[in-house]
Parts: sequence; C-alpha cells; structure tokens
Amino acid sequence: SSELTQDPAVSVALGQTVRITCQGDSLRSYYASWYQQKPGQAPVLVIYGKNNRPSGIPDRFSGSSSGNTASLTITGAQAEDEADYYCNSRDSSGNHLRVFGGGTKLTVL
Amino acid sequence: QVQLQESGPGLVKPSETLSLTCTVSGGSISSYYWSWIRQPPGKGLEWIGYIYYSGSTNYNPSLKSRVTISVDTSKNQFSLKLSSVTAADTAVYYCARDTITMVRGVISNWFDPWGQGTLVTVSS
Repeated sequence: SSELTQDPAVSVALGQTVRITCQGDSLRSYYASWYQQKPGQAPVLVIYGKNNRPSGIPDRFSGSSSGNTASLTITGAQAEDEADYYCNSRDSSGNHLRVFGGGTKLTVL
Repeated sequence: QVQLQESGPGLVKPSETLSLTCTVSGGSISSYYWSWIRQPPGKGLEWIGYIYYSGSTNYNPSLKSRVTISVDTSKNQFSLKLSSVTAADTAVYYCARDTITMVRGVISNWFDPWGQGTLVTVSS
C-alpha cells in the first residue's frame, strides 16, 4: 500500500479548473513532485519543489501544499491534459525512501 | 540535455535474475542520485531504489532482499539486478535522475529526466 493517497479518477470540463490531491503524513515535512503520464509513454515531471515548473510545462499547471495534502491544479484544462497523474515524495520513516501515490486518471470532458 | 536509456533482456525466466543497465548521456553521472522505478501493466509507479554516484544505495523495503543497484562512473552507467523473479515482477522498468534540494528547511526530491522505459516479462 502507498503512503501517499490519491483519488483514482477525476474529471473536468474542457477549459475549467481541476485540482488533483495527494495526502500523506510525509507531506507535512517534504514537498511533493507531480508527474503526467500518457498511455505508452514515460512519466513527465510537471511540478517540483514548492511550486516549480520544468521548462516546457505550461503555466496552467501549478502546485500547492497545506498540512498533509499536496495539490496539483490545472487552470483551464485542455484536451491534451487527459492523462494519469502521480505524486511523489519521501516516506514518513525518515529513511530517505521515495514513495509514489497510486495515481489519478484525469478525464477532460 | 541529459538523456537516459535502459537496456537489457525483455524476457526473464522465473527464479532467475533480472539485469538492466541505464546509460546516461549528455551529462555526467556524478553529483546526482539515480533511481530505478517500475510499473506493472495497468498499474501505478513503484520506486525500486536509488544509488548515489559515489555508490551509496537505498532500496524499497519490499524489494530490498532481492535488489542490487550499482554504478560505473567510467561508463556513465548504473545498473539494476533483481533476483528470484516471479510473474509479479513483470513491468516496465524506468531509470531516472533523482534530484534532492532543501529550501528554507523543506526537502524536495523529484525524478527528471526519465528513460523511455523497457518492458521486462517474467515467463518460462
């Protein structure tokens, strides 16, 4: 079982705003990073650190954190944003392990 | 920019050892952590372990007894060995650079870039 919990599926109307959440005790101490994965492709980093986007990631993607919950927000979702999204952080053991959330399937209607 | 490429057999027999290599190009393997991550068909991502360029390692406790990750800085490569494989080890295996920073006392880590992934099937 994952120490990071994500909703299995979320949907959003084209052009609207959607928030994908990730919950876990370790998020009180560490930032999450977020990955987008489309079918048959490797995951792509979309958010890291407090709220940083790698080069080439549209500014409609943003990240935030509060308590034990990290969030990925897509403002003005596009059809091409339909994908699986995974959060990642350290585990809560203090042993520097990495852990992924179970993933959220985003459907753009 | 840095690119990663996994290589190794796509088919491994049950009880044998899975061996994969990740070749780093466009940059040095030094001064970074490097991770292996896998994804069973239709399922989520699972972190396997990381190695620092100096050779220190850390493994997922669920796989620790069967995993060995090593590094060859002269070849800019790092490798994964997973012993006593079963059908449950069938997955796409990815290698990725693992970056860690601390900002205002808060630690962050992320994986970027990733290799394209290689499917390893465990079957007789």
